[in-house]
Amino acid sequence: NAGVTQTPKFQVLKTGQSMTLQCAQDMNHEYMSWYRQDPGMGLRLIHYSVGAGITDQGEVPNGYNVSRSTTEDFPLRLLSAAPSQTSVYFCASSSPVLNSPLHFGNGTRLTVT
Amino acid sequence: QQQVKQSPQSLIVQKGGISIINCAYENTAFDYFPWYQQFPGKGPALLIAIRPDVSEKKEGRFTISFNKSAKQFSLHIMDSQPGDSATYFCAAEVKSTDKLIFGTGTRLQVFP
Repeated sequence: NAGVTQTPKFQVLKTGQSMTLQCAQDMNHEYMSWYRQDPGMGLRLIHYSVGAGITDQGEVPNGYNVSRSTTEDFPLRLLSAAPSQTSVYFCASSSPVLNSPLHFGNGTRLTVT
Repeated sequence: QQQVKQSPQSLIVQKGGISIINCAYENTAFDYFPWYQQFPGKGPALLIAIRPDVSEKKEGRFTISFNKSAKQFSLHIMDSQPGDSATYFCAAEVKSTDKLIFGTGTRLQVFP
């Protein structure tokens, strides 16, 4: 049982480049979300989805796009990377049961130069 | 604006001591308060959680104390062990959603 799988583990981009961070879960969870983790800032919610075809913005959505075409996958797209997007990105999922825990992937460390 | 404020940012405790991490919130739309533990290179994982109709919850060496009127909650780790060395995040869930808002994290180091 893989849980939440994120790829790649590490990525270096130049300013202005685009890329997609992949996230897949095999637990049939309806809720999925993306967080970024920065020193002193904790985990901040970027975008989330309550099911296929439904997405919404979190606390820091600017510069990021998401889509949810299947239950399993929730990719995060950076259209034009900026140094301020240097961070560790975590994808998480949970079941629709009330107060069910978030299951996190192991993160993608992104550096934008 | 940080909706969940967490302190301290870092904590050093001797083995066997008590580790205490505090969180405060202002939004009354929160109705579930979990704590997550994160080891280096890994994603956070649920440690323990509490609902606001309960003032305390204990699981082994870990206890959450919750003060609804003060909008504060804290994590106590009794008999702290080197294996407890990790970053701890408090969080608050927005009512009727799955949205979790996290605190800024506390890096705990337990020395033998």
